[in-house]
Amino acid sequence: EPEVTQTPSHQVTQMGQEVILRCVPISNHLYFYWYRQILGQKVEFLVSFYNNEISEKSEIFDDQFSVERPDGSNFTLKIRSTKLEDSAMYFCASSATPRRGGGLEQYFGPGTRLTVT
Amino acid sequence: DAKTTQPTSMDCAEGRAANLPCNHSTISGNEYVYWYRQIHSQGPQYIIHGLKNNETNEMASLIITEDRKSSTLILPHATLRDTAVYYCIASNDYKLSFGAGTTVTVRA
Repeated sequence: EPEVTQTPSHQVTQMGQEVILRCVPISNHLYFYWYRQILGQKVEFLVSFYNNEISEKSEIFDDQFSVERPDGSNFTLKIRSTKLEDSAMYFCASSATPRRGGGLEQYFGPGTRLTVT
Repeated sequence: DAKTTQPTSMDCAEGRAANLPCNHSTISGNEYVYWYRQIHSQGPQYIIHGLKNNETNEMASLIITEDRKSSTLILPHATLRDTAVYYCIASNDYKLSFGAGTTVTVRA
């Protein structure tokens, strides 16, 4: 069964450093997302991406964050200058086109645990 | 997205049906009801979604009341591997707003 993959599984970085989290969405999917979950807290939406542009973003997704689909298979999240509060599990997700009945289920990857020291 | 309300936790016996309630009294006409679950710290897993009609797939059944103000997710034969946090989400766009969910513990 196709699945979303993410690398690395765990990333440790120093405050102020740039990090790039990588995702390979399911191959025929067209919608891509990033979410994060700070330890012990809710899963939070960061950004959605469709047709090579951001379709929606949350307040969390400020100028320090950017997303890119550099080729036909990868989807990346870059954090320009990491802060301690960026420590979290980051989940990538993808969706196919809406079904005939509507709705759009999202399939999540296993996550990248980012630790900022 | 409409606010959803779920019980904080519930226990279920292995092999029995688990019925997970969700209230979404302010849901709008074009919002779907989605159910996801998260096992430990893994990525959320899609279970099922619906708009008005009841839905069933290989994982679960979704019963939506006629007024759409509440729904129930049914896991027909719960196993120990179904122990997870279950999220009910009402959404009409491509963003999912996760709440605290219901922590379901399946006991042998």
